[in-house]
Amino acid sequence: DGGITQSPKYLFRKEGQNVTLSCEQNLNHDAMYWYRQDPGQGLRLIYYSQIVNDFQKGDIAEGYSVSREKKESFPLTVTSAQKNPTAFYLCASSIRRDRGDGYTFGSGTRLTVV
Amino acid sequence: AQKITQTQPGMFVQEKEAVTLDCTYDTSDQSYGLFWYKQPSSGEMIFLIYQGSYDEQNATEGRYSLNFQKARKSANLVISASQLGDSAMYFCAMREASGNTPLVFGKGTRLSVIA
Repeated sequence: DGGITQSPKYLFRKEGQNVTLSCEQNLNHDAMYWYRQDPGQGLRLIYYSQIVNDFQKGDIAEGYSVSREKKESFPLTVTSAQKNPTAFYLCASSIRRDRGDGYTFGSGTRLTVV
Repeated sequence: AQKITQTQPGMFVQEKEAVTLDCTYDTSDQSYGLFWYKQPSSGEMIFLIYQGSYDEQNATEGRYSLNFQKARKSANLVISASQLGDSAMYFCAMREASGNTPLVFGKGTRLSVIA
């Protein structure tokens, strides 16, 4: 079955460490997105990519980096510059860029700083 | 810039009753899409319903319906005959047609269904 796989499900990071969250899709979707979710804040956009080798910053890109070398993969790196990285991270993809195309979401990664 | 407002942080509803979750939006585009997602405690995001700005009829999907009032810029979700499994976070989201913009989400409403 097609879908989006996020790994790991839980991730612990020490202060000053970079960590990378994986997001892989086999839906042949063009666009991929990363959102951060904090309690009471809803989903906030970190980065998104409409095509391979291209991506744009979202509302809260500082302290994060991404790459899109393959259509199927859109990994997110949380760098040491992100001062408050503890959150739930959701990856999503969509087939086109029309307004009616919703997202398929992964199951999320919960990142905790220890 | 587009914006979604959900003014109800939490709601309670009796099992088998109907409930309305509020959503208002702001956009300067004439063409846009509105979405509702459900997020159970497991964290997954489940698509519920979609309404296009040019759709003349309100969208319905089973027990879910969207009360779309374009002039008031509101897109309220109505859940009929609530079930215990409806207890979850509910997010309203919008996507403008121009500029290939990503979905913008509201802060969500936590719905609790009481037996």
